[in-house]
Amino acid sequence: EVQLVESGGGLVKPGGSLRLSCAASGFTFSNYDMNWVRQAPGKGLEWVSSITSSSTYIYYADSVKGRFTISRDNAKNSLYLQMSSLRAEDTAVYYCAREMDSSGSFDYWGQGTLVTLSS
Amino acid sequence: DIVMTQSPDSLSVSLGERATLHCKSSQSVLVTTTNRNHLAWYQQRAGRPPKLLISWASTRESGVPDRFRGSGSGTEFTLTITSLQAEDVALYYCQQYSTTPLTFGGGTKVEI
Repeated sequence: EVQLVESGGGLVKPGGSLRLSCAASGFTFSNYDMNWVRQAPGKGLEWVSSITSSSTYIYYADSVKGRFTISRDNAKNSLYLQMSSLRAEDTAVYYCAREMDSSGSFDYWGQGTLVTLSS
Repeated sequence: DIVMTQSPDSLSVSLGERATLHCKSSQSVLVTTTNRNHLAWYQQRAGRPPKLLISWASTRESGVPDRFRGSGSGTEFTLTITSLQAEDVALYYCQQYSTTPLTFGGGTKVEI
């Protein structure tokens, strides 16, 4: 069974940093492109970042470019999102999502981890 | 960026009736190299992560009931729930994956 389990969320002050992790199991992690998608409270879905299976290509939404860094460790079956210079508008549930056949659609999602910005 | 616009914002449908959801993209998501529409539909029940229902505009994912049907091409797409069931109450999002940034529509809330 495919499982994606996010961790690392919490309460952080504006300007602070946080590192999210996503532990993958039930599939060959190194074969799949992976993504982070976020959802602000009561709002819609926003794609944040993607990384190809071998980390060759990385993409970011303009809203996070220069502040967030996506990475992965295929030996540990883990995906990461390093977030810095956090802003109030970064408050959201952050989902780890597996990309289906490198297509750009997401066939498996984690349960999400909540990041809350508050001074 | 490709802007995805969904309509209506919300929809109230009786049990067993048809629900029709619309999604429009600001540019075509039909990619010539694949000859496919790079358009997905997701269902998000309250308090849950999204679930992929349909990819390539009309391909139902494994395990998705056949009452969910995707159609359309280019810039206009439709998700039809042919006979609404109680468990279909949810938010539905379309997403284009023809180019980055990957973008989602604002969602349609389906209620009974």
